[in-house]
Amino acid sequence: DADVTQTPRNRITKTGKRIMLECSQTKGHDRMYWYRQDPGLGLRLIYYSFDVKDINKGEISDGYSVSRQAQAKFSLSLESAIPNQTALYFCAAGGGEVIDTQYFGPGTRLTVL
Amino acid sequence: AQKVTQAQTEISVVEKEDVTLDCVYETRDTTYYLFWYKQPPSGELVFLIRRNSFDEQNEISGRYSWNFQKSTSSFNFTITASQVVDSAVYFCALSDRDMRFGAGTRLTVKP
Repeated sequence: DADVTQTPRNRITKTGKRIMLECSQTKGHDRMYWYRQDPGLGLRLIYYSFDVKDINKGEISDGYSVSRQAQAKFSLSLESAIPNQTALYFCAAGGGEVIDTQYFGPGTRLTVL
Repeated sequence: AQKVTQAQTEISVVEKEDVTLDCVYETRDTTYYLFWYKQPPSGELVFLIRRNSFDEQNEISGRYSWNFQKSTSSFNFTITASQVVDSAVYFCALSDRDMRFGAGTRLTVKP
């Protein structure tokens, strides 16, 4: 396993607040990903990073930004949270020449009031 | 564009029944990977299998088996002799450069 950790595990915030979700992995994988999960929609990719200098938008990047501070760390920010960003957020890490198996963190449940 | 369709939203079976979860995908790429993940009630995502687009061999792992057919763009997952612990949401996913997940199939196995 990639031993992916996420902090916080749960967060309740108010509309308009800035929120940062943090992700760390200990297995040295090059690639890291942020997803959100909504009921009935599966997981949707927000951003992904192939290395520290390579950040890519995913399917639903609007309203989000990311920072790859180091190979092991990939944070997701909501600059001004809104209620429809209430979701379960997963970070994943993986690697390989093409998309390899991704190992997921435990998830962060975010509620925006 | 990539797309993954899991047409079965929910399936309910009785323990020891066999069950097949369907997955149909769309991609214009010739090189891609297909995955299945399990999400038990505790919420974590557990990797089950990865197949690359050039390997159509079916795979069996214990009670789990996977049938990959490029001709029908399908990657179906069968659980034989289901158990209560198999109750979970199962996701099929497709990747080339990025990753797309299906909406998931919620499997309930009743004792």
